[in-house]
Amino acid sequence: SAVISQKPSRDICQRGTSLTIQCQVDSQVTMMFWYRQQPGQSLTLIATANQGSEATYESGFVIDKFPISRPNLTFSTLTVSNMSPEDSSIYLCSVAGGFGTSALLNEQFFGPGTRLTVL
Amino acid sequence: QQQVKQSPQSLIVQKGGISIINCAYENTAFDYFPWYQQFPGKGPALLIAIRPDVSEKKEGRFTISFNKSAKQFSLHIMDSQPGDSATYFCAASLSSGTYKYIFGTGTRLKVLA
Repeated sequence: SAVISQKPSRDICQRGTSLTIQCQVDSQVTMMFWYRQQPGQSLTLIATANQGSEATYESGFVIDKFPISRPNLTFSTLTVSNMSPEDSSIYLCSVAGGFGTSALLNEQFFGPGTRLTVL
Repeated sequence: QQQVKQSPQSLIVQKGGISIINCAYENTAFDYFPWYQQFPGKGPALLIAIRPDVSEKKEGRFTISFNKSAKQFSLHIMDSQPGDSATYFCAASLSSGTYKYIFGTGTRLKVLA
C-alpha cells in the first residue's frame, strides 16, 4: 500500500483564520479523497480531489469553506477557511488506485490525519 | 438508501473470545465491503474486504461473513487479544463511478486481558 503523510499532524487555530492541510503520497494514485472525523464519530466524505480540475464536493460541503487543490497525482491540499469551533475535527486524506500496482480502485488507504482545534 | 448501519456501538470481550460486529446496507448496488481498524490518534487501516460474489473471507483471525439476500455483513475476530482494542468501521462502496465509501458509525471494541 502507499505511504501517505499529512502536514501538519495537529494544530490549534483561532476563530476566523484559515488552515491548509497537505497530503503527500509516495507513489502516483488515481484518486484522492478528503474526510472529516469529529471526535468519537465516523468518517464523513468532504470531497474527491480531482487532478487538474475542481474537486467534487459532497452534500453539505462547499468550495468556499473547503477549497481543495490537486496539482499532480501525488499531492493534494485541503484548506479549512474562516474557521469556527465547529470545525474542530480530524481531517483525513485517503488514496486509491495506485498506478503500476494490482491495487483495486476500491481499496482506499488513509493518511494519519490532522487534528484541528479551533478556539 | 445510502446508509450503512453498524452495531453494536461498543463491545467488551474477554481475551480469547470472539468479537462480532454487524453491518447492514440498503443499496443493492454496493459491491465492495471493507472493514477498517482505527487506533486512537491514527488513521483508519484497511483490515479486510469482501465482494458480494463470496459469502465468507478469512484472513488470519479476521473473517467477514456476507449475506447478500439479507444485505448484511459482519466481522468476526477470533481469539480476540487486548491489542485488538480499537474502533472498527465497516463501509460500502460502488465499483462504478466515484468509488466513494459510505462508512458505518463505528464500534469501539475493548478486549479485556
